[in-house]
Amino acid sequence: NAGVTQTPKFQVLKTGQSMTLQCAQDMNHNSMYWYRQDPGMGLRLIYYSASEGTTDKGEVPNGYNVSRLNKREFSLRLESAAPSQTSVYFCASRLNREVEAFFGQGTRLTVV
Amino acid sequence: AQKITQTQPGMFVQEKEAVTLDCTYDTSDQSYGLFWYKQPSSGEMIFLIYQGSYDEQNATEGRYSLNFQKARKSANLVISASQLGDSAMYFCAMRRSGFQKLVFGTGTRLLVSP
Repeated sequence: NAGVTQTPKFQVLKTGQSMTLQCAQDMNHNSMYWYRQDPGMGLRLIYYSASEGTTDKGEVPNGYNVSRLNKREFSLRLESAAPSQTSVYFCASRLNREVEAFFGQGTRLTVV
Repeated sequence: AQKITQTQPGMFVQEKEAVTLDCTYDTSDQSYGLFWYKQPSSGEMIFLIYQGSYDEQNATEGRYSLNFQKARKSANLVISASQLGDSAMYFCAMRRSGFQKLVFGTGTRLLVSP
């Protein structure tokens, strides 16, 4: 019963490097989300995808891009990482007719 | 704009006691949902309980109940009979009906002592 799976769990990048965070869900959910969690600030929405083939900006989209590859997968890309993007990143998914979102385990990203 | 306020950075409770974690929210919408999530030290976010703005009864899920006071715009989480495993960060969140974004508060760290 995998739920929402994120890879990698930990990553250290140098400033200017690029990387893609992967997320996959096996619950046949319509909506998928990327959040970041910073100390003292709770979670903030970066991007979301309400259905396969659509993506929309959230609260803090600058410096990120996303791809909804298919219904299962939603990736987050950092094209040129900056120290301000050091954070814990969470992917989540939700079946539109249900209220609760299910979260992955998180990816701890450090940009040096 | 929506906002969630959790004014208690940390709370302490003894095992088997009840504890209330405070949450107030600000919205001009009439239809919205309120959520509580638990984040243990392992880092994952675990959904605990949900309250719809039109629900007349307070939500309950096992030892968790949500004390919903709409006029005061508060949605406090009550944990009865605390257990050591309840030690974690707790986040209150809100979503406007028909919208995708969850807005989170800054969290309350609960420590349960033996």
